[in-house]
Amino acid sequence: AQKITQTQPGMFVQEKEAVTLDCTYDTSDPSYGLFWYKQPSSGEMIFLIYQGSYDQQNATEGRYSLNFQKARKSANLVISASQLGDSAMYFCAMDSHAGNMLTFGGGTRLMVKP
Amino acid sequence: KAGVTQTPRYLIKTRGQQVTLSCSPISGHRSVSWYQQTPGQGLQFLFEYFSETQRNKGNFPGRFSGRQFSNSRSEMNVSTLELGDSALYLCASSVESWNTEAFFGQGTRLTVV
Repeated sequence: AQKITQTQPGMFVQEKEAVTLDCTYDTSDPSYGLFWYKQPSSGEMIFLIYQGSYDQQNATEGRYSLNFQKARKSANLVISASQLGDSAMYFCAMDSHAGNMLTFGGGTRLMVKP
Repeated sequence: KAGVTQTPRYLIKTRGQQVTLSCSPISGHRSVSWYQQTPGQGLQFLFEYFSETQRNKGNFPGRFSGRQFSNSRSEMNVSTLELGDSALYLCASSVESWNTEAFFGQGTRLTVV
């Protein structure tokens, strides 16, 4: 069975500073994908970044980067230069070799202070 | 390019009724999966459809069912609604069934009274 753990239920960050959201995972699949999503209060899940387990380099998308440490089974999200609009819930997820069935962590609520 | 579209956005139903939710995936995407989000249980996988076939099913009672049409649009149905079915229902689409980015719709917020 797969498991995603996000140990930070809530975090504050000062505007324009960088922040790291933690995610650890557990799986017996040799190949898997890791995702980060942002969910504002409106409810929509916004795709941020994806990392395949065999990707050699850490994924980056604009201000988002994924710090993937396979041996430690961690996939932390780094947001650089935080903006007020970054305030939201952030979910780490992984897919299954069996198909498009994502397992989600409990989420981290990020609050950006002006 | 249009995103994932879910209808309706909000729904209020009475216990015992049934409900049908709709999801139109991104054009070209063949996989559609459904999730239930509640404050207590978080995000839980319901089922996945790929090319009109249910490939995976989560741990939900048989009152929850779904289907996918030839144009990849998907519907999920919940019969004999219970108060505990109140949740945000999200669908996600992806090009293939695995190891590709999955994009979500805005969700349908179902309230059972």
